[in-house]
Amino acid sequence: GAGVSQSPRYKVAKRGQDVALRCDPISGHVSLFWYQQALGQGPEFLTYFQNEAQLDKSGLPSDRFFAERPEGSVSTLKIQRTQQEDSAVYLCASSPREGPYEQYFGPGTRLTVT
Amino acid sequence: GENVEQHPSTLSVQEGDSAVIKCTYSDSASNYFPWYKQELGKRPQLIIDIRSNVGEKKDQRIAVTLNKTAKHFSLHITETQPEDSAVYFCAPSTSGGGADGLTFGKGTHLIIQP
Repeated sequence: GAGVSQSPRYKVAKRGQDVALRCDPISGHVSLFWYQQALGQGPEFLTYFQNEAQLDKSGLPSDRFFAERPEGSVSTLKIQRTQQEDSAVYLCASSPREGPYEQYFGPGTRLTVT
Repeated sequence: GENVEQHPSTLSVQEGDSAVIKCTYSDSASNYFPWYKQELGKRPQLIIDIRSNVGEKKDQRIAVTLNKTAKHFSLHITETQPEDSAVYFCAPSTSGGGADGLTFGKGTHLIIQP
C-alpha cells in the first residue's frame, strides 16, 4: 500500500515568507508526528496528533510554527515569517495506534530559507 | 526529557566484519528501543526494535541487546555489506513510540570499506 507522502519535496522561501508543508499519512493511522532534521543531525520532535487532537506541541521552536490535522488524516505544518534557522528537512511520520509501534516516515520536505 | 547519546559517531569497518553501535539513555521509564537506518537523502526506516521485557532480539544479520539496569542498548550488525553504509539512529521512548515523539540520538555514520 501507499506509504507516508509529503509535499512539496523541496521548498525555497525568502526570509519573512510563510510556508505550508503537507503530510499524507498511511490510511487509517491514528498517530501523526512532525520532526525537524537539521543537516548532519538526528530528527527532533516537533508535535504529535492522535486523530485530530494535537496532544503534544512541546517541540515547536516558536509561535511561528503551527500544525493542524482537522479531519484526523492529512496534516499541515505552517511556518510564518520564515527565518534562516528554519532551513531543515521536515519529516512527517505516522503510526497505526498508540503504544509501542513503529513510526513510518515520509520522504521529508527540504526547506531552504534565503 | 530524555538524554540520548550514541557512540561512536563514525564507524568504519571492513566488509564482512561486525559493527556495534551503543546508545545510552537517561530516563529509566523508557520501555521501547528502536533503531532507525537513514541512507543519504532518504527517510529514516526502522530496522529493529525491542521492548523492555526482552533482553535481546535478532533478525538475520541484525540484533539489538538491551541492558535496562545500565540504561543502554546496542545495535549489532554481522557480516557487513556495502548496503549497510548509512547513518543509524537510536530513539528510546517512554511510551512505546506510537503515542509520543521519539527522541533521536545524534546518529552513527557507518562506513563499510570494500
